[in-house]
Amino acid sequence: KQEVTQIPAALSVPEGENLVLNCSFTDSAIYNLQWFRQDPGKGLTSLLLIQSSQREQTSGRLNASLDKSSGRSTLYIAASQPGDSATYLCAPYSGSARQLTFGSGTQLTVLP
Amino acid sequence: ETGVTQSPTHLIKTRGQQVTLRCSSQSGHNTVSWYQQALGQGPQFIFQYYREEENGRGNFPPRFSGLQFPNYSSELNVNALELDDSALYLCASSPGGRSSYNEQFFGPGTRLTVL
Repeated sequence: KQEVTQIPAALSVPEGENLVLNCSFTDSAIYNLQWFRQDPGKGLTSLLLIQSSQREQTSGRLNASLDKSSGRSTLYIAASQPGDSATYLCAPYSGSARQLTFGSGTQLTVLP
Repeated sequence: ETGVTQSPTHLIKTRGQQVTLRCSSQSGHNTVSWYQQALGQGPQFIFQYYREEENGRGNFPPRFSGLQFPNYSSELNVNALELDDSALYLCASSPGGRSSYNEQFFGPGTRLTVL
């Protein structure tokens, strides 16, 4: 059974800082991994998708890396802004189980 | 291109009742998955539908059931509601097939409160 852990659970940083969010998973037999953003009480917004054959993916100020063999992914956010404040969730996709498995997320607060 | 939509936005039921939640998938997507998100936790997989058939199921009891229609929209039905069913229910669609490598796109969710 896949288990996902995200560290830290919460993070508060001043505006402009670069930061790294960590995700680890126990079963490396994944098809891909997605990073999502969730604002309070809202649905999930997909940020990045990394296929299992890829090492990293970039979108604007976001960069995600994947080390499938060690069961780790990181999300790097450059030059953080108050609008980045949200909960960030990582979710590896298991094709055999047809599901994304989520961690509890990292709650990010960027202070102006 | 219309994204994933869900209805209703909010719903209040009492214990023992039944509820139906609805999801319209993004245009061109034939796979729909449902997730339950309790407060303060990550979403938990309920089941996935591909071309009107259940294609995978998480650890949820049979009183959680679903349907997918020919236009790929979907319903989640929950019978005999319990207090612990109070959660945000999320629907996600993707353009892939049975073993989808594709990105999943989520709707805004339905907030269910069971009293």
